[in-house]
Amino acid sequence: DAGVTQSPTHLIKTRGQQVTLRCSPKSGHDTVSWYQQALGQGPQFIFQYYEEEERQRGNFPDRFSGHQFPNYSSELNVNALLLGDSALYLCASSLNHGQARETQYFGPGTRLLVL
Amino acid sequence: AQSVAQPEDQVNVAEGNPLTVKCTYSVSGNPYLFWYVQYPNRGLQFLLKYITGDNLVKGSYGFEAEFNKSQTSFHLKKPSALVSDSALYFCAVRDMERSGNTPLVFGKGTRLSVIA
Repeated sequence: DAGVTQSPTHLIKTRGQQVTLRCSPKSGHDTVSWYQQALGQGPQFIFQYYEEEERQRGNFPDRFSGHQFPNYSSELNVNALLLGDSALYLCASSLNHGQARETQYFGPGTRLLVL
Repeated sequence: AQSVAQPEDQVNVAEGNPLTVKCTYSVSGNPYLFWYVQYPNRGLQFLLKYITGDNLVKGSYGFEAEFNKSQTSFHLKKPSALVSDSALYFCAVRDMERSGNTPLVFGKGTRLSVIA
C-alpha cells in the first residue's frame, strides 16, 4: 500500500519564477491538503482540495494556487517566487467523511529553495 | 482561533529514561489532538491521536499521550527512550466543533535528543 508521494524532492528556483509541486495521495484517500513548513517552524496550512475543488484556504496570497485531478492527485503552483517562499512543502492526504477525527497522512515533502 | 504551544524547543534525555514532550492547546470547543514525528529530511509521521474516550492514548513505537482537559494539555510520553527516538515532534489540534475535514494547527515543534 503506497503512502503519500511527492515530487520533486528538491527544487532550486530564482526570484520571480514559477514552480509546480506534485502529490499523489495514499491509496483510498480523496482529500489533499498542502502545508508550508519554514525552517524551524511547524507546518502552516495553505489549502485543501476535495472533489477537484479548493474547499478551504489558509492565510496565503493568491500567488499560491492548486489543482486536484480526477484520480485525486494534486498540484501546488506558486507564481512570482519570493525568497520567503523557501520552505519544505508538505502534502497530506485523508478521507473526507466530514469527520474532523480523520487522520492526515503526510508525504516526504518537497524542499524548495528560492535564490 | 485554535492554537498549540510546545513550550520546550529542545528536550534532552538519557537512553532508557522516561521522556515527556509537552503540549498545550486552545480551541473554542472540544479538541481533536494529534502527535506527529519528523526525522531529518523527512515528512511528518503520524504517532497517535485523541478523539474521545480514554484520556490515555497509545500510539506507535511505544509512545503514549495523556489528554488533560482541565489543564488543556496533551503531553507525549514514553517509558524508556531510545536513541532512535531522536527527532522533531509536533503537536497539532483540530476543533471538534467545526465540521468537516478542517486543517490541522501545529505547534512549533520540540526537538528530542536521546543520549546514549
